[in-house]
Amino acid sequence: DAKTTQPPSMDCAEGRAANLPCNHSTISGNEYVYWYRQIHSQGPQYIIHGLKNNETNEMASLIITEDRKSSTLILPHATLRDTAVYYCIVRSQGTYSGAGSYQLTFGKGTKLSVIP
Amino acid sequence: NAGVTQTPKFRVLKTGQSMTLLCAQDMNHEYMYWYRQDPGMGLRLIHYSVGEGTTAKGEVPDGYNVSRLKKQNFLLGLESAAPSQTSVYFCASSFSPVPGLIYEQYFGPGTRLTVT
Repeated sequence: DAKTTQPPSMDCAEGRAANLPCNHSTISGNEYVYWYRQIHSQGPQYIIHGLKNNETNEMASLIITEDRKSSTLILPHATLRDTAVYYCIVRSQGTYSGAGSYQLTFGKGTKLSVIP
Repeated sequence: NAGVTQTPKFRVLKTGQSMTLLCAQDMNHEYMYWYRQDPGMGLRLIHYSVGEGTTAKGEVPDGYNVSRLKKQNFLLGLESAAPSQTSVYFCASSFSPVPGLIYEQYFGPGTRLTVT
C-alpha cells in the first residue's frame, strides 16, 4: 500500500468547513483513497473512499487531484462531535493474500479539534 | 441494523484466567477481523476470517484463538491471560463480493480488557 502524509493536527471553528489534506504521491493506478476517523475511545469509523473521481456522501466529500497524488477530505459544517483523529489510507480493493494485506494500517493521522 | 457489536465492553481478568470476546455483525459480511490497539502502537491484526468456518493468523496471533462457526459471529479467546494482553480489542467486518476483493472495514465499539 502507498504511504500517506498528513499534518499532525488542525483546528476548525464550529460550523465552518474542515479541510483535511493528505499526500499520497506514490499511489498506484489500482489503489483507492480511504478515510477513517477515530473519536476518542471509540472504534474507527469509515467515512468515505474514492479512486479518481470526487465523492460525496452524508458525512463528507472527498476531493482527489487529477494526478491522484493528493486528496482532501471536507467536512462541510464541522461540529464538536467531529473532533477526532482522521486517517487517510491508500490501498487496493483486491486481490488479497496473506495476513499483511488484510490488515488495515493506520498511520498517525490528523488530530482535528473543532473549536466552539 | 446494529452494524458490528462487541461483548463485553469492559473486563478485568487475573493472570491465567480465560475469557471469550464475542463479535457479531448483521451486515452479512464475509470477512471479519480482530485487532488490538495499544497506546502509540496503532491497530494490529490478531486473526481474521474470510468466511464461515475459516480463520487465519494476523500480525500478532500468539496467545489468542478464534472461531467462526456462524457467518455473523467471530469469537476471540484468551486461554491464559497475561498482563501483556491488556489492550483495547476491536472487531471489524467487510463486504467481499468476490474472493480477494474487499471493501471498507466497519468496526465495533471495542472491548477494554485489563489483565492484572
